[in-house]
Amino acid sequence: AQTVTQSQPEMSVQEAETVTLSCTYDTSESDYYLFWYKQPPSRQMILVIRQEAYKQQNATENRFSVNFQKAAKSFSLKISDSQLGDAAMYFCAYRSLMEYGNKLVFGAGTILRVKS
Amino acid sequence: DVKVTQSSRYLVKRTGEKVFLECVQDMDHENMFWYRQDPGLGLRLIYFSYDVKMKEKGDIPEGYSVSREKKERFSLILESASTNQTSMYLCASSLGGTVNTEAFFGQGTRLTVV
Repeated sequence: AQTVTQSQPEMSVQEAETVTLSCTYDTSESDYYLFWYKQPPSRQMILVIRQEAYKQQNATENRFSVNFQKAAKSFSLKISDSQLGDAAMYFCAYRSLMEYGNKLVFGAGTILRVKS
Repeated sequence: DVKVTQSSRYLVKRTGEKVFLECVQDMDHENMFWYRQDPGLGLRLIYFSYDVKMKEKGDIPEGYSVSREKKERFSLILESASTNQTSMYLCASSLGGTVNTEAFFGQGTRLTVV
């Protein structure tokens, strides 16, 4: 079974600065997908960014980018020019391509606080 | 705009009660999921369904059952609620197949069992 580990329960960043959230995962599969989801206080989970394992190029979405290291099984999220609206719980998630249902396996989450 | 709607945002039930959590999606998604969210544990999969009347156990199915009679609706049932089932419950849906489809989530139901 796959596992996802987020080793930082909480992180803080100053507004306009850059912060990196860590995620590692364990799998024996060679092809899979990885995601970062954001959960603000409203509780609505929002997709931030996704990465296909077969792609070597790191995904980027505006101020959000990932550092995907397949051999190290590492998938960190970098948030540039942090804004107050970035404050939320962030979850790293893994999706297998081998199993029915496309279910997601989540890490424990990292609370991100943004200071003004 | 994809919408996943959970019937209640907050629910308080008594120990031993049978509890129904309802989830409806409007995007004709094949897959539907029920997760439980607890501090420090992230989201853990309770049950999922990849087609009408099909269901599969997730990582923590004990004490729960599910029903999917129609494609758009996926219900989570707590047969006899216990205090250790006090938690946040999240429903999600996604397209089927192997394309890189994201899961869309409801706003969660915070269930308290007293």
